[in-house]
Amino acid sequence: AQSVTQLDSQVPVFEEAPVELRCNYSSSVSVYLFWYVQYPNQGLQLLLKYLSGSTLVKGINGFEAEFNKSQTSFHLRKPSVHISDTAEYFCAVSDRPMDSSYKLIFGSGTRLLVRP
Amino acid sequence: GAVVSQHPSRVICKSGTSVKIECRSLDFQATTMFWYRQFPKQSLMLMATSNEGSKATYEQGVEKDKFLINHASLTLSTLTVTSAHPEDSSFYICSARISHQETQYFGPGTRLLVL
Repeated sequence: AQSVTQLDSQVPVFEEAPVELRCNYSSSVSVYLFWYVQYPNQGLQLLLKYLSGSTLVKGINGFEAEFNKSQTSFHLRKPSVHISDTAEYFCAVSDRPMDSSYKLIFGSGTRLLVRP
Repeated sequence: GAVVSQHPSRVICKSGTSVKIECRSLDFQATTMFWYRQFPKQSLMLMATSNEGSKATYEQGVEKDKFLINHASLTLSTLTVTSAHPEDSSFYICSARISHQETQYFGPGTRLLVL
């Protein structure tokens, strides 16, 4: 079965420092990969996604992620974080070709804590 | 575009009562909607997948008679928690997917507290 591992439950970082949030998935077949952000008591907002093509994907709010098939990883990065980036970040994967349901499997989440 | 709403945002109910949560896609037609449950400081757990006009598909361990899902139109799905108990207290999030697209768009969530 498909699984997603987010190795860090919490990542503290100072404002304006770079950050990388790690994500590894288990599937050996082709996948779609997503990063979502969740602010307190809110739903999830899509940051970026990898479907095909270039392995470096740029998303909203200055985030980017790189798909590495050999390492089955999809790490999220930002060169300079802001206080407002403090939130929970979820990596998710969906098998492709997919069945009609397009189900997502989520990682356990990483809390990014940006300090002044 | 691709906005999903949920109503109510918060609900408090007594043990034994039923609670209905609505999920609407506001500016697109959602062929598939998903219901998730999220416990504090944990990830989202898929409860069921709902396709318009057909019965929902429940994940293993989710009681279909307790969590009733109706997807009556391409813009509305409802989750009814029947005979709610305190252990049903959680954050319930829905998402919706446009036909032939891979991305799920998430609602803002509903906080359920059963006393």
